[in-house]
Amino acid sequence: GAGVSQSPSNKVTEKGKDVELRCDPISGHTALYWYRQSLGQGLEFLIYFQGNSAPDKSGLPSDRFSAERTGGSVSTLTIQRTQQEDSAVYLCASSFVGGPSTDTQYFGPGTRLTVL
Amino acid sequence: AQSVTQLDSHVSVSEGTPVLLRCNYSSSYSPSLFWYVQHPNKGLQLLLKYTSAATLVKGINGFEAEFKKSETSFHLTKPSAHMSDAAEYFCVVGLDGGSQGNLIFGKGTKLSVKP
Repeated sequence: GAGVSQSPSNKVTEKGKDVELRCDPISGHTALYWYRQSLGQGLEFLIYFQGNSAPDKSGLPSDRFSAERTGGSVSTLTIQRTQQEDSAVYLCASSFVGGPSTDTQYFGPGTRLTVL
Repeated sequence: AQSVTQLDSHVSVSEGTPVLLRCNYSSSYSPSLFWYVQHPNKGLQLLLKYTSAATLVKGINGFEAEFKKSETSFHLTKPSAHMSDAAEYFCVVGLDGGSQGNLIFGKGTKLSVKP
């Protein structure tokens, strides 16, 4: 079946503009995650949605970052008033939460954000 | 608290020789452990996963990893490297114990394969 998809694949924006990044998880997956991968920084957890529960926003770096997940499926990550340090690859992952052990996360190809 | 350390930032091998990518973890309970691979300009792909069943886990593309609790290690190996194995590899520990939270990623090991 189809994997996790993300759009756009690349986004170039000017400092101060808002951007929206989209993630379509694998159908039937109940959990959705956003990560940021910066050069030399590794992967950084941003936010996690699980079913109808309140999202875990503990990784969001500032209040300029927000995310929502509509209908338990598609998610949008919004960055307001972008800064140059927001430049990174933003990765989305989804998983099916079904047991006591950590479920495998399947990653999308990412959105490369460049803030000029 | 969980953490993961990849001991080498860069490993270089010749094609046809064995690969060893080292990973140590720290976890207060039995962890879930993963290896992911990321080829240039591609997304992360799951290589293999350990979840307290067999300690030797076989993954895709001939890779395997052995969970050694006494050494808190989960090293990734392959008997014979192929040029297509050149990529960045991430060792990952999962937040467990009933919490369905996020993954903790190592800093990554870049594998180069020389002809």
